[in-house]
Amino acid sequence: GQQVMQIPQYQHVQEGEDFTTYCNSSTTLSNIQWYKQRPGGHPVFLIQLVKSGEVKKQKRLTFQFGEAKKNSSLHITATQTTDVGTYFCAGRNNQGGKLIFGQGTELSVKP
Amino acid sequence: DGGITQSPKYLFRKEGQNVTLSCEQNLNHDAMYWYRQDPGQGLRLIYYSQIVNDFQKGDIAEGYSVSREKKESFPLTVTSAQKNPTAFYLCASSLQGAGRGAFFGQGTRLTVV
Repeated sequence: GQQVMQIPQYQHVQEGEDFTTYCNSSTTLSNIQWYKQRPGGHPVFLIQLVKSGEVKKQKRLTFQFGEAKKNSSLHITATQTTDVGTYFCAGRNNQGGKLIFGQGTELSVKP
Repeated sequence: DGGITQSPKYLFRKEGQNVTLSCEQNLNHDAMYWYRQDPGQGLRLIYYSQIVNDFQKGDIAEGYSVSREKKESFPLTVTSAQKNPTAFYLCASSLQGAGRGAFFGQGTRLTVV
């Protein structure tokens, strides 16, 4: 079945350093979504990418969708302590319906 | 306020008992989902429903059952057949078709002793 792999599992950075998490799907995706889950909280939707090669930015966050629509990345520039949490990608395949999540990348930021 | 509500937040049950987790949304969303979250394993899909009176198994449906009799409600029953039921359960909903972002409830932490 469809699988979404995400790396790394953990990332510890110094405040001000950059951070990137990568997501790979075993099948072509119709779209990919990114979520953030703060410690003790629930996932919150950040953004959706639909087009091949699409790049979207939200302030210090840059999201990319691969040309083959099988991989994606989230890059945070100059991390802040407020960026702490677990970042998940979630893919929906061309058959629709199922929203499959990656394992998540837990980001910790040292002040 | 529109939103998605899960109850209760914490739930304790004895081994061998069935337990039903509630999920209600007033967002008029067509699609609803149940995920299980365990440390280091992300969110794993249990069941999902795209329309009333229809639902599909996710990747880890064994030992679970759901119903979708109303658009607003998607309760999950954890049966005694589920071997490792202790986990954090998250319900989500989204608009159907356009691949919109999912809204999550606060989650229910189930502990089976």
